Amino acid sequence: KAGVTQTPRYLIKTRGQQVTLSCSPISGHRSVSWYQQTPGQGLQFLFEYFSETQRNKGNFPGRFSGRQFSNSRSEMNVSTLELGDSALYLCASSFGQVGGTQYFGPGTRLTVL
Amino acid sequence: QQQVKQSPQSLIVQKGGISIINCAYENTAFDYFPWYQQFPGKGPALLIAIRPDVSEKKEGRFTISFNKSAKQFSLHIMDSQPGDSATYFCAASSTGAGSYQLTFGKGTKLSVIP
Repeated sequence: KAGVTQTPRYLIKTRGQQVTLSCSPISGHRSVSWYQQTPGQGLQFLFEYFSETQRNKGNFPGRFSGRQFSNSRSEMNVSTLELGDSALYLCASSFGQVGGTQYFGPGTRLTVL
Repeated sequence: QQQVKQSPQSLIVQKGGISIINCAYENTAFDYFPWYQQFPGKGPALLIAIRPDVSEKKEGRFTISFNKSAKQFSLHIMDSQPGDSATYFCAASSTGAGSYQLTFGKGTKLSVIP
């Protein structure tokens, strides 16, 4: 069974640009969560989608947004990039029940110059 | 506000030794406590998880101990091996409140030396 895939794996952008990251969950999984990982702040929850609806949102500014498609694939978008947005962005999928195991992808490494 | 505090930041253990990583939480609504293992270039992978109705859970060489009154839980890795060298994260979630969000500790980098 294929795992969670994220594209692209690496991305370099400049301040002020916007970026879109993609996540394909494990087949059959309907929930996709996004996390930001940095050396200073660790792993921080961005948002979670289930059946195209956002169910939970973390404490990030409105520049961070996401969506989920009918096939459960998800995208997250960051607009007006700042240097501090440089991070590893991780996507995790699950069947969607509360407390269910979340399976993480390898992440997208975003560097903002 | 860090809701899950993890220690130590780094740990060096001899092969065959016991690795112990500790976490403390503040939010009494947390009721699901997983541990994740992350190797360089990979995403975190679930190792073992516990709920507050049990004080200990063991899976192979990995054991979680849970102290509800102290709001602390720990991961013990018995007979540590060089292949266990990775970063370990504790996490917590309040499933009873319908939350799907995991709150992570800052991580512990474990190095097991031969």
